[in-house]
Amino acid sequence: EAQVTQNPRYLITVTGKKLTVTCSQNMNHEYMSWYRQDPGLGLRQIYYSMNVEVTDKGDVPEGYKVSRKEKRNFPLILESPSPNQTSLYFCASSLSGQGAYGYTFGSGTRLTVV
Amino acid sequence: QKEVEQNSGPLSVPEGAIASLNCTYSDRVSQSFFWYRQYSGKSPELIMSIYSNGDKEDGRFTAQLNKASQYVSLLIRDSQPSDSATYLCAVGAGGSYIPTFGRGTSLIVHP
Repeated sequence: EAQVTQNPRYLITVTGKKLTVTCSQNMNHEYMSWYRQDPGLGLRQIYYSMNVEVTDKGDVPEGYKVSRKEKRNFPLILESPSPNQTSLYFCASSLSGQGAYGYTFGSGTRLTVV
Repeated sequence: QKEVEQNSGPLSVPEGAIASLNCTYSDRVSQSFFWYRQYSGKSPELIMSIYSNGDKEDGRFTAQLNKASQYVSLLIRDSQPSDSATYLCAVGAGGSYIPTFGRGTSLIVHP
């Protein structure tokens, strides 16, 4: 089944404790992206990747890191999480980044930082 | 700044009626347009894409695009309670790596 897999689905952590949210897709998509979704603010892009070893900042990159060492994986790293990073996170992938193709989204990760 | 505007709603329609969801965008060079459905607490799901002016039908869903007016809409015929969700409009400009999402319209279909 074609899908984007995120883990974990739920995560509660403490301020300052490094964490990684994993994302993997099995569709050989070139383009991958991370979004956070907050009430009233909609989907906001954190980082995106056009292909292996090619990443760039989205609208809200502060406090996040990403890497794309393999085509299928695009982990999101929070080096020192803070309470304002409490949010619902989605990983998404697309055949290409040219804007012509829609996204397939992962199931989401609900992160709470206390 | 590229903007995609949607009425947040909620839009409430009776079961069996036509639900009409609207979206306007600011970037005149936009070339691809998408509608996503998102149930509460779930991930967005792509339901329609449209690239040229006019109508595109898929089952009970019809997407309408008017590039001159910078307007895209989604019609849902014979609305069902299971259609109750938030509908996100997304617009991608040619060559852009960052599609712009609207904040979504909440649709409630009541029996």
